[in-house]
Amino acid sequence: AQSVTQPDIHITVSEGASLELRCNYSYGATPYLFWYVQSPGQGLQLLLKYFSGDTLVQGIKGFEAEFKRSQSSFNLRKPSVHWSDAAEYFCAVVRHGSSNTGKLIFGQGTTLQVKP
Amino acid sequence: EPEVTQTPSHQVTQMGQEVILRCVPISNHLYFYWYRQILGQKVEFLVSFYNNEISEKSEIFDDQFSVERPDGSNFTLKIRSTKLEDSAMYFCASSETNSPPGIQYFGAGTRLSVL
Repeated sequence: AQSVTQPDIHITVSEGASLELRCNYSYGATPYLFWYVQSPGQGLQLLLKYFSGDTLVQGIKGFEAEFKRSQSSFNLRKPSVHWSDAAEYFCAVVRHGSSNTGKLIFGQGTTLQVKP
Repeated sequence: EPEVTQTPSHQVTQMGQEVILRCVPISNHLYFYWYRQILGQKVEFLVSFYNNEISEKSEIFDDQFSVERPDGSNFTLKIRSTKLEDSAMYFCASSETNSPPGIQYFGAGTRLSVL
């Protein structure tokens, strides 16, 4: 079945430590790929996106993500986490094709907790 | 920075009642969406709207749901007869383009509680 999977429901890291959040997708053709962040009481904010080209993409707030076609993955990384990064992170895709309506399909989300 | 505005932030209603969730998308955007997130579950697509008509809807979006852009600025989601299982956070989003997919900007959401 077509899906977006975020294997880690909850991750805790220490402030200053590096972070990697995993995302895998299962679609016939590589979809458009996105990472969104949701802070408490706020809407979802786009961190970064991948459509084509360089497989390492830079986003806002010091985040980056790497697309790996062979692994059907689009993992989110940050070299040094700040306490303000505590939030819920969503991987999402939009399928390619003429029937594309921009519908985002989300993963389950990963809750990031940052320890002082 | 322009933002998507949703009202109210929290709506409490009795089962069987009609509710209207309101959204003001970003002014030059042409594509509009509703998503919902039941507590503890993933964000789910409900409907997309372009050029005054629905372009895609999910299985969730049955006859009890409708969307409207009544005045060129607001975008509303109506649930005619709410059920307990409609309790969720509802997000409105808008984007400027669609092909390739535009960035969707999300509102802060309306928490709907059906009692």
